[in-house]
Amino acid sequence: AQSVTQLDSHVSVSEGTPVLLRCNYSSSYSPSLFWYVQHPNKGLQLLLKYTSAATLVKGINGFEAEFKKSETSFHLTKPSAHMSDAAEYFCVEWNQAGTALIFGKGTTLSVSS
Amino acid sequence: NAGVTQTPKFRILKIGQSMTLQCTQDMNHNYMYWYRQDPGMGLKLIYYSVGAGITDKGEVPNGYNVSRSTTEDFPLRLELAAPSQTSVYFCASSYSQGVDGYTFGSGTRLTVV
Repeated sequence: AQSVTQLDSHVSVSEGTPVLLRCNYSSSYSPSLFWYVQHPNKGLQLLLKYTSAATLVKGINGFEAEFKKSETSFHLTKPSAHMSDAAEYFCVEWNQAGTALIFGKGTTLSVSS
Repeated sequence: NAGVTQTPKFRILKIGQSMTLQCTQDMNHNYMYWYRQDPGMGLKLIYYSVGAGITDKGEVPNGYNVSRSTTEDFPLRLELAAPSQTSVYFCASSYSQGVDGYTFGSGTRLTVV
């Protein structure tokens, strides 16, 4: 069955340090992959998406993710964390065999000053 | 351009009561979805629709019903509310089946007591 695994349920960083949120996907097809962000008590906002073009994808607010087929990974990174980055992040997959987006369980990012 | 609009934003139900969560979109999207979000579990698909008059079950459909009489509206019905249905519900829509991601509503927080 199709699944998305977010390897960390909680990541804590200091402001100004790099952020790495890890995600592995399971699809053997060519997937579309997304990262969504959810700030406390808010809806979901699309950060970035991969749809089989360039493997390094740039998103909003300085985030980027790299698609690595050999590792079935799509990790999210940011060079320097900001307090406003504190939120929950979801790695999401869609492939042609599926009917809808499949969500990972989420990673909560905490940023301390 | 309102996007995806969900009402109400908050609701408290008593066990056994029924209610309808409303969802409407103004982007002329054919595809619409209902997800529920529970802490630490990501989002799970309840029902989806590929166009007016066509609906299908997702991963967790029990206790819910949907209808799609127009392209714009996709209401979710809870007939006999149970504490297990306490959750945050998100409606989403998309132009394509999923390759470009979805647009999400702001969510409905439902508590069943």
